[in-house]
Amino acid sequence: AQSVTQPDIHITVSEGASLELRCNYSYGATPYLFWYVQSPGQGLQLLLKYFSGDTLVQGIKGFEAEFKRSQSSFNLRKPSVHWSDAAEYFCAVGAGNYGQNFVFGPGTRLSVLP
Amino acid sequence: DVKVTQSSRYLVKRTGEKVFLECVQDMDHENMFWYRQDPGLGLRLIYFSYDVKMKEKGDIPEGYSVSREKKERFSLILESASTNQTSMYLCAGRGQANTGELFFGEGSRLTVL
Repeated sequence: AQSVTQPDIHITVSEGASLELRCNYSYGATPYLFWYVQSPGQGLQLLLKYFSGDTLVQGIKGFEAEFKRSQSSFNLRKPSVHWSDAAEYFCAVGAGNYGQNFVFGPGTRLSVLP
Repeated sequence: DVKVTQSSRYLVKRTGEKVFLECVQDMDHENMFWYRQDPGLGLRLIYFSYDVKMKEKGDIPEGYSVSREKKERFSLILESASTNQTSMYLCAGRGQANTGELFFGEGSRLTVL
């Protein structure tokens, strides 16, 4: 069965600093990978997705992620963090004909210092 | 833009009450999902539906049922609410079969007293 791990439960960075959130997955076939962001009390918003092709994908809000098959990773990056980026970030693997095996990681909470 | 709407953002119910959580999507797609989200447990799939009147159990269906009478509407039902069902409930629709991402509603925070 597929699984997703996010090793960092909570990360704190200063505004303007670079950011990398880690994600590792376990899946037997070519994965469909996603990063979502959730602000407090809100639903999840898609940041970016990878299906195939270029392993470096660009998303909204200045985020990008790189798929590395050899490391089973899909890390999220941003060169300069803004205070509004403080939120919880979820990595996910999409699977199943109906998406019923969409598996989410446990999430990483990002705090941003002024 | 794709939109998934959950009619109730905050609900407070008493133990034993019947609770309906409504979700409407405007994507004209078949697949819809109900998750619950709890601190430390992440998102867990309760039920999903791949077509009108079709439903499948997810990972934690006990204590819940669902209804999909129309394509755009997917309802989650708690027949007899209990305190351990206090949680954030998230509805989602799938944008495209097999490869599509999930689009989420704003969430419904349910408190059962």
